[in-house]
Amino acid sequence: AQRVTQPEKLLSVFKGAPVELKCNYSYSGSPELFWYVQYSRQRLQLLLRHISRESIKGFTADLNKGETSFHLKKPFAQEEDSAMYYCALLIYNFNKFYFGSGTKLNVKP
Amino acid sequence: DTEVTQTPKHLVMGMTNKKSLKCEQHMGHRAMYWYKQKAKKPPELMFVYSYEKLSINESVPSRFSPECPNSSLLNLHLHALQPEDSALYLCASSQEGIRDEQYFGPGTRLTVT
Repeated sequence: AQRVTQPEKLLSVFKGAPVELKCNYSYSGSPELFWYVQYSRQRLQLLLRHISRESIKGFTADLNKGETSFHLKKPFAQEEDSAMYYCALLIYNFNKFYFGSGTKLNVKP
Repeated sequence: DTEVTQTPKHLVMGMTNKKSLKCEQHMGHRAMYWYKQKAKKPPELMFVYSYEKLSINESVPSRFSPECPNSSLLNLHLHALQPEDSALYLCASSQEGIRDEQYFGPGTRLTVT
């Protein structure tokens, strides 16, 4: 069963445009959600997590339990935001951790 | 040292070989992970060690055998692998457990012939 869905494989936007990377999850309990990012030729790294409620590099994500979503947003995309973005779900009580299939963000000049 | 290192970078092995992948971190983390990542797919969790004890085993075939000799080292012993086991194997570590930020290594690219 697909636990984390990222519907867009590729998202292309122009520099300065708003960007939203979608993430939906399947779990009726209390999930913990993360966004990980992989820049070109770099390692996978944590971008943000819902429990910290931080804004990192201008990105924010809000957990919406009603819509079971954790979409990643940035009001003004920069070229350096081009990367692969993975949404991840932790079901702590069952020791389960799932990555979504990833969305490649391409920010054009 | 704030990195997770993995050796080797690349490994080619036959189906009858025995080999090992190595992962090391010196950040004082007490949890370490193995992931498998096939081409154009997300990483899939295989094993988690927490305080040197195996805490998660995601029903991985026994031809993969993890070992955590101490809190800084994590090995993955490989034996009688199949061609479909060819993948990028990622190691990660975190402060204490799976709720914490994971720090990933660069991976070992494994090809089984």
